[in-house]
Amino acid sequence: QITLKESGPTLVKPTQTLTLTCTFSGFSLTTGVGVGWIRQPPGKALEWLALIFWDADQRYSPALKSRLTITKNTSKSQVVLTMTNMDPVDTATYFCVYSPGYYGSGSWKHWGQGTLVTVSS
Amino acid sequence: QTVVTQEPSLTVSPGGTVTLTCASSTGAVTSGFSPNWFQQKPGQTPRALIYSTSNRHSWTPARFTGSLLGGKAALTLSGVQPEDEADYYCLLYYGGAQNWVFGGGTKLTVL
Repeated sequence: QITLKESGPTLVKPTQTLTLTCTFSGFSLTTGVGVGWIRQPPGKALEWLALIFWDADQRYSPALKSRLTITKNTSKSQVVLTMTNMDPVDTATYFCVYSPGYYGSGSWKHWGQGTLVTVSS
Repeated sequence: QTVVTQEPSLTVSPGGTVTLTCASSTGAVTSGFSPNWFQQKPGQTPRALIYSTSNRHSWTPARFTGSLLGGKAALTLSGVQPEDEADYYCLLYYGGAQNWVFGGGTKLTVL
């Protein structure tokens, strides 16, 4: 059974750096697998953020590329997303997603429950 | 800035058929965009329905069909059930610097 769970602060102040950890089980970050992050502001649409592949290839949303870093720790079954210079508009539920499939053929198959991050002073 | 456009809202009667579409500001959507479709009910996590244009996940009911239609990705629901009322999102792969882009979502009402 594949599970993913996001963890991190629920409240951050403007200009601070957000660090979110995705801890997963039921699969390994092996050939053909990626783990990504997607967010959803309250009442709004989904927004794709970043993905890291089994080979450490990192992909980012061009709109947020300068602020995002995604890394993996295969031995701990974790993927970490950092986002710098947080702003109230970054208030959202952040989802971690398991995406098997080579590069563009990823299927975004299993989602974590999401974690709501509020940016406020 | 690449934009993926979906119908903001659609209404369908129970038992009816409805098609949701997903268009790209860059031109026609092809299989190379590897369209994915997701369903999200209020207060719930999104659930994957379709990947690589037309492939269902093991849990996706057969009444959900993905395809390419008139230069767009499409999701057709046949024999709509009341429980299909939800928001539906498409996700397209652009490669290069764009990577993946979500559509704005379609709110489907079953009435």
